[in-house]
Amino acid sequence: SAVISQKPSRDICQRGTSLTIQCQVDSQVTMMFWYRQQPGQSLTLIATANQGSEATYESGFVIDKFPISRPNLTFSTLTVSNMSPEDSSIYLCSVVGTSNEQFFGPGTRLTVL
Amino acid sequence: AQKITQTQPGMFVQEKEAVTLDCTYDTSDPSYGLFWYKQPSSGEMIFLIYQGSYDQQNATEGRYSLNFQKARKSANLVISASQLGDSAMYFCAMREPDSSASKIIFGSGTRLSIRP
Repeated sequence: SAVISQKPSRDICQRGTSLTIQCQVDSQVTMMFWYRQQPGQSLTLIATANQGSEATYESGFVIDKFPISRPNLTFSTLTVSNMSPEDSSIYLCSVVGTSNEQFFGPGTRLTVL
Repeated sequence: AQKITQTQPGMFVQEKEAVTLDCTYDTSDPSYGLFWYKQPSSGEMIFLIYQGSYDQQNATEGRYSLNFQKARKSANLVISASQLGDSAMYFCAMREPDSSASKIIFGSGTRLSIRP
């Protein structure tokens, strides 16, 4: 199984500011996924990040709000820009394992005041 | 469009009993994968079990088994001999391959509470 770490594990931010979340995987992976889980809700895919190309965003998510970097095959960042209280969520990165499993990082719990 | 349905928002089960969490799915693609995840109050998503649409046998992982009924588009999770530590949210999910990315979508979840 893939070992995934995320930083920070949690943060409390003021509205209007930005937060960058880091995701590190212990092995090289082609695709990394970023999900959001709003309070009491299920997970929603934000975007798919491929190394060497622009991220692919899902409907309702835009690059200006959630810019993503993917500089190499083991690392990605997601920035939540110009935050509002509605952005308070758990943000999780995810990768596909060698046997089609999909693993998730421990998540970043974001609170926006 | 693909869809995952979990009809049980919450369940209470006595410790040591078996429990079945329901999941139905809808897809027109013959090739897909089904997942179950456990999410404790800490927020992490713990992978439990995976079933491929072409797998001949139901997947099992320790106390977890997936009751895969392809014709009914059903993928229920069975937990045998439940333990207090099984109390958590459980999510069913599906991956449908496409040309750009094999992303997965989630059901709404079932909150399982184990009574001592």
